[in-house]
Amino acid sequence: ETGVTQSPTHLIKTRGQQVTLRCSSQSGHNTVSWYQQALGQGPQFIFQYYREEENGRGNFPPRFSGLQFPNYSSELNVNALELDDSALYLCASSLQTSGTSGELFFGEGSRLTVL
Amino acid sequence: ILNVEQSPQSLHVQEGDSTNFTCSFPSSNFYALHWYRWETAKSPEALFVMTLNGDEKKKGRISATLNTKEGYSYLYIKGSQPEDSATYLCACSGSARQLTFGSGTQLTVLP
Repeated sequence: ETGVTQSPTHLIKTRGQQVTLRCSSQSGHNTVSWYQQALGQGPQFIFQYYREEENGRGNFPPRFSGLQFPNYSSELNVNALELDDSALYLCASSLQTSGTSGELFFGEGSRLTVL
Repeated sequence: ILNVEQSPQSLHVQEGDSTNFTCSFPSSNFYALHWYRWETAKSPEALFVMTLNGDEKKKGRISATLNTKEGYSYLYIKGSQPEDSATYLCACSGSARQLTFGSGTQLTVLP
């Protein structure tokens, strides 16, 4: 059973640039969620994708966007980077059936630093 | 957006001590409560998912209880070991979709 993998693990960008983070879901999972964890805080929900459609969104601006592919892998794109976007970005996959809140399987995260 | 509070923020215990932490959440529109353990340099790992008032779950030396009417959950660790050192996160959902996490309790078990 392959776990959740994220890439890259670390990256540095400058203000105004764009970034794409990637996530490979655990085998058999149909739902992927993205979280942002800033220093000293718990993970904050960005959005969730279920069967390639956005299925819920947190309080993040439209410059945060995502995709889920037919193989259930996913991307998080952030445009016009700001200093406050510096954080650990976590991807989590789960198997959603009949609206149940199944446990999340997390990757190790992508650490983004914006200078 | 739910407001999930965890206490204490951090604690240090001696090896062999038992300990517990609290997660508070709004009791209205409750759907599920999750507990995760997050060790340094690793990914968060699910401990429990609970949905019913009065639920009690156990995994080895770790157990959790849930009170949805008053909006709290307790996580207990019996006979703490150094390998229990981690950040313990709780998260609550008001629907099947969005989990709101607390800021976590950072546990250090001293040998």
